[in-house]
Amino acid sequence: EAGVVQSPRYKIIEKKQPVAFWCNPISGHNTLYWYLQNLGQGPELLIRYENEEAVDDSQLPKDRFSAERLKGVDSTLKIQPAELGDSAVYLCASSLLAVGNEQFFGPGTRLTVL
Amino acid sequence: GDSVTQMEGPVTLSEEACLTINCTYTATGYPSLFWYVQYPGEGLQLLLKATKADDKGSNKGFEATYRKETTSFHLEKGSVQVSDSAVYFCALRADKLIFGTGTRLQVFP
Repeated sequence: EAGVVQSPRYKIIEKKQPVAFWCNPISGHNTLYWYLQNLGQGPELLIRYENEEAVDDSQLPKDRFSAERLKGVDSTLKIQPAELGDSAVYLCASSLLAVGNEQFFGPGTRLTVL
Repeated sequence: GDSVTQMEGPVTLSEEACLTINCTYTATGYPSLFWYVQYPGEGLQLLLKATKADDKGSNKGFEATYRKETTSFHLEKGSVQVSDSAVYFCALRADKLIFGTGTRLQVFP
C-alpha cells in the first residue's frame, strides 16, 4: 500500500517568488493535514481538512499561505510571496475520519528561500 | 495551552547501551500520548502510544508509560542498535497533535 506522497521533495526559490507543494494522501483517508517543521523543531499544524472542508486553519498565515483540497483527495499548499523565514520542511499527513485515528506522514518538502 | 517538553539532544550511545529520552507534558484535559520516530530521509512514523494513565505503549523494544502524576511519558529501550539512530518526537493529542522539539539519537557500533 502506498503511503502519503509529497512533491517536490526539495525546492529552492528566491524570496518573493510563489511556490506550491502537492500531497496525495493514503487512499481512503478522509482527513488531511499540513504541518510546518522548522529546523530543530517539531511539526506544527497549519491546516486540517475533513474531505473538502478546512475544519481547522487557525494556524495558517492567510496573508501569504493558501491551501485547497479539491474533490477531497489531493491537496496543494501555496505560498505567495515566499519570505526568507518560510524556509522549512512542509509535511503532509492523512488519517481516517474518526477522531483518534493514527496520522500517517509523508516525507515532506524541504523549502529553501534565498 | 497544551505543550510538550523533551530533553535536548543529541543523545550519543554505544550499541547495546540503555536509552532514556525524557518527555513531560502540560495539558488541561486527558490527552493521548505518542512517540514518533523520524529516520533520515523518511517521514514521521508512529512508534508507540498510550491513551490513558498507567497505559504502557511498546514497539520494537521501546517502551513508554503514561504517568499522570508526574505528567511524563519517557521513552526507554534496554539495548539500542545502530539502526535506532533517528530523531524521536514526543507528542500529545487533545484536539490536535502537539509535538516536542525532537531528540536526535546517535548510536555507534
